Amino acid sequence: GENVEQHPSTLSVQEGDSAVIKCTYSDSASNYFPWYKQELGKGPQLIIDIRSNVGEKKDQRIAVTLNKTAKHFSLHITETQPEDSAVYFCAAREIQGAQKLVFGQGTRLTINP
Amino acid sequence: DGGITQSPKYLFRKEGQNVTLSCEQNLNHDAMYWYRQDPGQGLRLIYYSQIVNDFQKGDIAEGYSVSREKKESFPLTVTSAQKNPTAFYLCASSPRAGTGRSGELFFGEGSRLTVL
Repeated sequence: GENVEQHPSTLSVQEGDSAVIKCTYSDSASNYFPWYKQELGKGPQLIIDIRSNVGEKKDQRIAVTLNKTAKHFSLHITETQPEDSAVYFCAAREIQGAQKLVFGQGTRLTINP
Repeated sequence: DGGITQSPKYLFRKEGQNVTLSCEQNLNHDAMYWYRQDPGQGLRLIYYSQIVNDFQKGDIAEGYSVSREKKESFPLTVTSAQKNPTAFYLCASSPRAGTGRSGELFFGEGSRLTVL
């Protein structure tokens, strides 16, 4: 089955700087890669996703890039703000069977004022 | 408003007791999921259901049970056989495959279970 590795596990950046979180996946057939943001004590929420037919997608200050050859994808947050502090999860959707999402281990992002 | 409701938000249990976590959705989604979250381990799938009256084991199903008698409801029972039940439990749902937004998960706010 699919396996997703996420790095780093913790990330601390100064407010206004950029943050990058990276994930690798094992199944080259996977075709859907979402990113979720989880605030303290709450459930994760989808913030951006990308499908395998595109290499980059942007939504205001966040962007995701996908390199299918290398089987990795990254989340980029620019002009970080205190409200960006949260745990971020990447995921990849399995092609086989029930097409479940397989999640990375999570990255705790802290924005320092 | 449409969404997923989990209850209770906090639950304490004595060792040896079974406990049931509730999950209800009014999004008309076909698929529902239960995940367990432990620090540093991401989200691990316990059980999932793609249709009423059918469910499948996930990666860590031992010590848990579920039912799917109604489309809106997917309760999770943490049994006394679960060796380390203290965790944050998340329920999620998603539209049926092929609807354009399939694959996107909508999560509840979670239930934190503590075994005393």
